[in-house]
Amino acid sequence: AQKITQTQPGMFVQEKEAVTLDCTYDTSDPSYGLFWYKQPSSGEMIFLIYQGSYDQQNATEGRYSLNFQKARKSANLVISASQLGDSAMYFCAMRESPYSSASKIIFGSGTRLSIRP
Amino acid sequence: DAGVIQSPRHEVTEMGQEVTLRCKPISGHDYLFWYRQTMMRGLELLIYFNNNVPIDDSGMPEDRFSAKMPNASFSTLKIQPSEPRDSAVYFCASSPGTSGSNNEQFFGPGTRLTVL
Repeated sequence: AQKITQTQPGMFVQEKEAVTLDCTYDTSDPSYGLFWYKQPSSGEMIFLIYQGSYDQQNATEGRYSLNFQKARKSANLVISASQLGDSAMYFCAMRESPYSSASKIIFGSGTRLSIRP
Repeated sequence: DAGVIQSPRHEVTEMGQEVTLRCKPISGHDYLFWYRQTMMRGLELLIYFNNNVPIDDSGMPEDRFSAKMPNASFSTLKIQPSEPRDSAVYFCASSPGTSGSNNEQFFGPGTRLTVL
């Protein structure tokens, strides 16, 4: 069965520093997709970045990059030059068989990131 | 373009009452998902639809919960009768398809349900 693990319930980081949020996953499906979402205190879920299991390069979106290590089944989110507005909950998620209509996405338990000024 | 629309944004009801949550997905999206978020259990997938057909409802907690999608632009999640342990934020999300970047799910703002 698929599983997403986020081992850091909370993190504190100084503003302007880079931060890495850990995510490991477990799946027996060779085809899957990995996501990161941000949930600020206002509650909405904001999509940040996506990595396909067959993508050759690590995904990047502005200050966000995904450190994808397939053999280790890890998909860590790296935020460069953190800002106060980055304080939020961050969820790692996975979708197996992304090319099948019968696939679903599961979420990790989240990491609460707090940026110190 | 409007995003995923959910109503109501907040609902306070008494135990035993029927609750109906509504969702309008983004036009053209083939997939619709219902999630529940609580402090204790995190974000749980309840059910999802593909082209208005329920694909997987294994996350629906019990028979008190039901979901429908009568057409491509509307879905409901109903709880009857409601219980205090159903208190949570319920999210609806939609996605356009299954390949590559279309895997992204767009979330609605959520409905915060409180059952007294």
